[in-house]
Amino acid sequence: DGGITQSPKYLFRKEGQNVTLSCEQNLNHDAMYWYRQDPGQGLRLIYYSQIVNDFQKGDIAEGYSVSREKKESFPLTVTSAQKNPTAFYLCASKGLHEQYFGPGTRLTVT
Amino acid sequence: AQKITQTQPGMFVQEKEAVTLDCTYDTSDQSYGLFWYKQPSSGEMIFLIYQGSYDEQNATEGRYSLNFQKARKSANLVISASQLGDSAMYFCAMREGTNYGQNFVFGPGTRLSVLP
Repeated sequence: DGGITQSPKYLFRKEGQNVTLSCEQNLNHDAMYWYRQDPGQGLRLIYYSQIVNDFQKGDIAEGYSVSREKKESFPLTVTSAQKNPTAFYLCASKGLHEQYFGPGTRLTVT
Repeated sequence: AQKITQTQPGMFVQEKEAVTLDCTYDTSDQSYGLFWYKQPSSGEMIFLIYQGSYDEQNATEGRYSLNFQKARKSANLVISASQLGDSAMYFCAMREGTNYGQNFVFGPGTRLSVLP
């Protein structure tokens, strides 16, 4: 089945630790995106990548980093510099017009 | 300034009735796309419908239709014959820019509750 996978579904980390969220797609899409969603809020763009080895900062990139070494993969690292990392993280890829989303990772940092 | 405005934080509708969820947008681009997504309590974002800025006809997908009024910059979602499974958050989104370097911006969402 074609789609986007994100792992793990729930992630717990201690403050001060970096953590990497996985996002893989087998839809052969060039563009991929990372969003953050806080409770009761809409989606805010963290980073996006139009092609391999290229990515751009979104509205809230501070404290996050990404890489795009393969077309299928777009991992997001939440660094210790991110002041409030507890949130729901959604990865997406873009087809002809619309975005397709993964199931999300719920990150809790204590 | 907000690029996507959804003025209804919450809406209630009786099962089998139609409901309209409001969305207004702000852009100076001539070419743009408008989208609606559904987010159930499980969290996944489900694509519902797309409208291109140059499309003259309103988009329809099954029970979903998009009421596109370009001059008013509005893109309201109409759900006909509501079902209990339609209870969810609904997000309006816009894609600005050319085919490369596109960015999507989302509204704050409307929580729809369908009553039996």
